[in-house]
Amino acid sequence: DIQMTQSPSSLSASVGDRVTITCRATQDISSWLAWYQQKPGKAPKSLIYAASSLQSGVPSRFSGSVSETGFTLTISSLQPEDFATYYCQQYHSYPLTFGGGTKVELK
Amino acid sequence: EVQLVESGGGLVKPGGSLRLSCAASGFIFSSYYMYWVRQAPGKGLEWVSCISTSSSYTYYADSVKGRFTIFRDNAKNSLYLQMNSLRAEDTGVYYCARDRRQYQPENWFDPWGQGTLVTV
Repeated sequence: DIQMTQSPSSLSASVGDRVTITCRATQDISSWLAWYQQKPGKAPKSLIYAASSLQSGVPSRFSGSVSETGFTLTISSLQPEDFATYYCQQYHSYPLTFGGGTKVELK
Repeated sequence: EVQLVESGGGLVKPGGSLRLSCAASGFIFSSYYMYWVRQAPGKGLEWVSCISTSSSYTYYADSVKGRFTIFRDNAKNSLYLQMNSLRAEDTGVYYCARDRRQYQPENWFDPWGQGTLVTV
């Protein structure tokens, strides 16, 4: 099974900050990676697919990228509505697996 | 508008059974792979199961294999999860989710239902 490791598990930030979340896979998943946002008591919402493609309707301050160190979700200027938990998910192969989540809190 | 509405959650004793339902609307249900994803209280997301458009293919997480069965009724635009031999560790919110792409699945989830709580 492919394990997904997210870091950090939580972070504190202020409105307007640039926020970066990293996700690593235990084996090559090419760009078969999605990012989701989940607010308390709500269902997850997709943000990014294919590692760097923005899902329709998602603000452009969200972006995804791939590097030698892994996958990155970046929020260029944190807005009040962005305080939430973020998850990565690999869809290279079954079983489909998620990272442990990153909680973005208000500093 | 695309909608997924889960139902059937509740309180059940260990060893018991429960059947979850997911009513779909706003899209051609029979054209999409469908999924169940769960979330234990205060924990992360865990993929549970997947079913192909015509039910030819089903996939399960090891943690539920042999106990849970996913099935669908395309005539009723409905997805189901039959859960048997339930354990305390099956407790959580169960989400129904659709594949993003018609016919040829991409295996990521959009949209999601609001979830139904199962307590064992």
